[in-house]
Amino acid sequence: KAGVTQTPRYLIKTRGQQVTLSCSPISGHRSVSWYQQTPGQGLQFLFEYFSETQRNKGNFPGRFSGRQFSNSRSEMNVSTLELGDSALYLCASSLSLRGTDTQYFGPGTRLTVL
Amino acid sequence: DAKTTQPNSMESNEEEPVHLPCNHSTISGTDYIHWYRQLPSQGPEYVIHGLTSNVNNRMASLAIAEDRKSSTLILHRATLRDAAVYYCILRPPPATSGSRLTFGEGTQLTVNP
Repeated sequence: KAGVTQTPRYLIKTRGQQVTLSCSPISGHRSVSWYQQTPGQGLQFLFEYFSETQRNKGNFPGRFSGRQFSNSRSEMNVSTLELGDSALYLCASSLSLRGTDTQYFGPGTRLTVL
Repeated sequence: DAKTTQPNSMESNEEEPVHLPCNHSTISGTDYIHWYRQLPSQGPEYVIHGLTSNVNNRMASLAIAEDRKSSTLILHRATLRDAAVYYCILRPPPATSGSRLTFGEGTQLTVNP
């Protein structure tokens, strides 16, 4: 079974631009979550989607948004990029929202903002 | 979410057992204890989880204290590939937090050859 895939793997943008990152979950998984990882803040939850609905959101500004499609694939968008948005963005998928469900993480997209 | 406390770093020798502790004194009765690890340049990877009883799988064992205020992840024979940051995470019921994982700082495990 293919794992979680994220595209692109690496991205360089300049301040003020916007970016869209893509995540394809494991086949059959309906829940997708997004995380931001930086050296200073560690791994922080951005938001999660289940059945095309945002179910939970972390403490990030409105510049960070996302969506989920009917095939469970998800995208996240960051508008008006800032230098501090440079990070590894990780996507995770799971079967459902149960507390026992394992989260499977993708390799991440490394975003650099210049 | 309830907080976990882990040592910043630990060292082990190859082929020796490793015990990674985690304190979670404010755990609620419905919180599951999950462990994930993150190898260099990779996304986090599930290791094991449990609620009250000790658990074993092919990767590791999880020992949970009787009062559930602490737990220990046990790697029976450490290999160089086990060098990673290990995260102890409490997962509340989905009704309150969905599939969200709240990561702390974790323990950086170094395995010496």
